[in-house]
Amino acid sequence: QLQLQESGPGLVKPSETLSLTCTVSGDSISSSNPYWGWIRQPPGKGLEWIGTIFYSGSTYHNPSLKGRVTSSVDTSKNQFSLKLNSVTAADTALYYCVRLVLSGFWSGTVDHWGQGTQVTVSS
Amino acid sequence: DIQMTQSPSSLSASVGDRVTITCRASQTIGTYLNWYQQRPGKAPKLLIYAASSLQSGVPSRFSGSGSVTDFTLSISNLQPEDFATYYCQQSYSTVTFGGGTKVEIK
Repeated sequence: QLQLQESGPGLVKPSETLSLTCTVSGDSISSSNPYWGWIRQPPGKGLEWIGTIFYSGSTYHNPSLKGRVTSSVDTSKNQFSLKLNSVTAADTALYYCVRLVLSGFWSGTVDHWGQGTQVTVSS
Repeated sequence: DIQMTQSPSSLSASVGDRVTITCRASQTIGTYLNWYQQRPGKAPKLLIYAASSLQSGVPSRFSGSGSVTDFTLSISNLQPEDFATYYCQQSYSTVTFGGGTKVEIK
């Protein structure tokens, strides 16, 4: 059974870089559904898509994040990662890594979610 | 960007009721519309994909309909475990979610 697990620091200082890793188990990251992504949820608010990554490393990120996002894949470790730089308090959220069954332009149905990891931006 | 507007933002209902949640897209998305349920403290769970297809393991009291820009999620015979927040999501171009509908116990 496919499982996703986020890991990374729970506290990041303003202006620094948030770094998270998602470890995929139960299937290969380059399997028949090789699209992965990050979604976040600020406290008490709704869901915001951060970006989608293909197992080859191709990516597409939410333009609203103004180029602050970098994503990568490590197929040897069955992991993919997120970096968000120049963070502010507005980036405080629960961050989910997900698998997408692709249907549209860098889009799809999210059929598997990690449990989420809380990241707080504070000095 | 495709904007998704959900209504209502919250509703109160009783066990056994039928509830309907609507979602409108800012442009045509065909049937590229999914619905998720999020219980407190949990990750969202896929209920409906492609507007009307029930995800494996999801009870048949959940149903989805619609196309183009207007969609609905219906829950018949509301059960205690159905009190949660529901989100629509378009999967036509990148990813956007509706603002959510919180279903509360009356």
